Amino acid sequence: DMKVTQMPRYLIKRMGENVLLECGQDMSHETMYWYRQDPGLGLQLIYISYDVDSNSEGDIPKGYRVSRKKREHFSLILDSAKTNQTSVYFCASSLGGSAETLYFGSGTRLTVL
Amino acid sequence: QQNVQQSPESLIVPEGARTSLNCTFSDSASQYFWWYRQHSGKAPKALMSIFSNGEKEEGRFTIHLNKASLHFSLHIRDSQPSDSALYLCAVNTGYQNFYFGKGTSLTVIP
Repeated sequence: DMKVTQMPRYLIKRMGENVLLECGQDMSHETMYWYRQDPGLGLQLIYISYDVDSNSEGDIPKGYRVSRKKREHFSLILDSAKTNQTSVYFCASSLGGSAETLYFGSGTRLTVL
Repeated sequence: QQNVQQSPESLIVPEGARTSLNCTFSDSASQYFWWYRQHSGKAPKALMSIFSNGEKEEGRFTIHLNKASLHFSLHIRDSQPSDSALYLCAVNTGYQNFYFGKGTSLTVIP
């Protein structure tokens, strides 16, 4: 069963704390993504990873970093979280190639107080 | 940078109606086009894709693409309450970066 798993589903942090969002996929997909979704703004790409240790900034990378040490696992790190990073974060994966479908995880709702 | 716009922002239709959703894009080099559907509180899920000008039908759903007009659309025949969701269009120019529209919120009333 093709699946993208995100942990945790809900997270509340205080401003200045570090945040780790984790994503796993069981499809051996090469390419993985981190998006954030905000009302009225749609899905915005934070980072894209083409394979292990091959990461590229998306449209809104400021304040975020990523780590991909295994093909099936992709982490998003917020060092010293800010209130404007309150959002729903989605991880996605694809086989690689622009004609491939994205498979999304269920999302992490992050609140930074 | 790609600019993807969707219209309308929201739509309320009665059960059984034909529904049309629109998406325009700015980059004429765009090659790949999708519609994703996101039920409330859930993950977006791919609905349909099209890669060449024309029309593609899958069940109650039809997608039209006109690259010259920088426009594609999704048509839903015999809309059902279960079709109520946020519909997101996505465009890819060939570099694996998918640009999404802000979405159209569809409500189908029984």
